[in-house]
Amino acid sequence: DVKVTQSSRYLVKRTGEKVFLECVQDMDHENMFWYRQDPGLGLRLIYFSYDVKMKEKGDIPEGYSVSREKKERFSLILESASTNQTSMYLCASSFQTVRAYEQYFGPGTRLTVT
Amino acid sequence: AQSVTQLDSHVSVSEGTPVLLRCNYSSSYSPSLFWYVQHPNKGLQLLLKYTSAATLVKGINGFEAEFKKSETSFHLTKPSAHMSDAAEYFCVVSRANSGNTPLVFGKGTRLSVIA
Repeated sequence: DVKVTQSSRYLVKRTGEKVFLECVQDMDHENMFWYRQDPGLGLRLIYFSYDVKMKEKGDIPEGYSVSREKKERFSLILESASTNQTSMYLCASSFQTVRAYEQYFGPGTRLTVT
Repeated sequence: AQSVTQLDSHVSVSEGTPVLLRCNYSSSYSPSLFWYVQHPNKGLQLLLKYTSAATLVKGINGFEAEFKKSETSFHLTKPSAHMSDAAEYFCVVSRANSGNTPLVFGKGTRLSVIA
């Protein structure tokens, strides 16, 4: 079974703090993704990566950065957390083949910024 | 740019009655379309896919969807709802006409099943 794990299920941070969200997958997937999920807005792509040390901006990258030093790990960084970054953050991974559309998701991290 | 529109934010059905979740797409080429499901407190998972083969595609748990190019639709159906079908459903389109490309998610439809 593919497993995508995220470092925390719930996180509470203060405005201005630097926040790290970690994601690890155990299926040797090349692709990894970070989304945020908000009610009524669906999933929006923040950043993605097709390979180690590689990153691409998604639809809403402002206020975020990412790091991929190892194939299995993809980190999302909030440089200076703000209240409008309160959200559910989902990590996903997939192979880089014709089945690239089949993304495997982690359970999510619910981040609250106060 | 490719996009999907889910026409209902919330659908409520009685157990044993049919389910219809509506999705329209916009694409400049023949798209690849998918439905994902998110059960409460669980990760999203792929329910079914259309990738230019048969226009009627079957997924897990008795769900199916029909690709209709003339109507630019990809509605999700199930003949008889079960309590365990209560979840959030996302219609999804591939961003480009190639294999390795990010997905675009719709805003979701929450399905409630009443006993």
